[in-house]
Amino acid sequence: QSVLTQPPSASGTPGQSVTITCSGSSSNIGRDSVNWYQQVPGTAPRLLIYTTDRRPSGVPDRFSGSKSGISASLDIGGLQSEDEADYYCTAWDASLQGYVFGTGTTVTVL
Amino acid sequence: EVQLVESGGGLVQPGGSLRLSCAASGFAVSNSWMHWVRQAPGKGLVWVSRINRDGRRTDHADSVRGRFTISRDNAKNTLYLQMNSLRAEDSALYYCVREFVGAEDFWGQGTLVTVSS
Repeated sequence: QSVLTQPPSASGTPGQSVTITCSGSSSNIGRDSVNWYQQVPGTAPRLLIYTTDRRPSGVPDRFSGSKSGISASLDIGGLQSEDEADYYCTAWDASLQGYVFGTGTTVTVL
Repeated sequence: EVQLVESGGGLVQPGGSLRLSCAASGFAVSNSWMHWVRQAPGKGLVWVSRINRDGRRTDHADSVRGRFTISRDNAKNTLYLQMNSLRAEDSALYYCVREFVGAEDFWGQGTLVTVSS
C-alpha cells in the first residue's frame, strides 16, 4: 500500500533534465523530510537523496531534491543512459508510525 | 568493508513461520538503526520494520504488526526478522538495511520468501 504518489513514468534524451514528483500528505511529507532511492532492475536500491536535499557520498550533483508543502521533487540534470531505473520517494509517516514509499517512477532515456 | 548477508528465506505454507537472518560485517549492528524492507516480484518497495541503536525501540508497518518481530544478537552481529502467521501477500524479496535513509545507508542483496500452498 503506497501512501505517496508518483507518476508511473518519465523520460528524456541524453543531456536533458527530468523531474519526478512525489505527492503526500500532512502526516508525512508535510511534516518530515523526504528521501529518494534509485533501483536498477535486479539490484538493491541505492540512496540518492536523504533529508530532502542531501546527497550521500558518491552521488553525482546532477541529482537534487526539494520539497514544498506536501509535495517533493527529484531533479535529474544532464540525463545519462545509466540513469535508466526505477525511482522511489520515501518519508516517515507520523500517523502510521512507519516509513511509506512512493508508487515508483520508471525513467527511460530515449 | 560493510557487508550484509540475508538468509532464511524459502517456501512456506500460509499460516506458517520463518525467521530471516542478516549477518553483518564491517560494522556493529548495535551502533546502527537496522531495518527490513521488502519488495514483491515486479512491485514497489515496502518498509517493514526497524530497531534502534540500543535495541529498546522497534517499529513495524501496520501490515505486519503483531505478526512480525525484529530483533538482533549483538554478540553474533546479526539482525533477525521473525515472521509468523504468514500470508500470500507477504511473499517478497526481503532486504536488510543499515541506517535506512541515512548518510550510511547500506542494503544487502535480499532473501526471497514465498508463501504458497
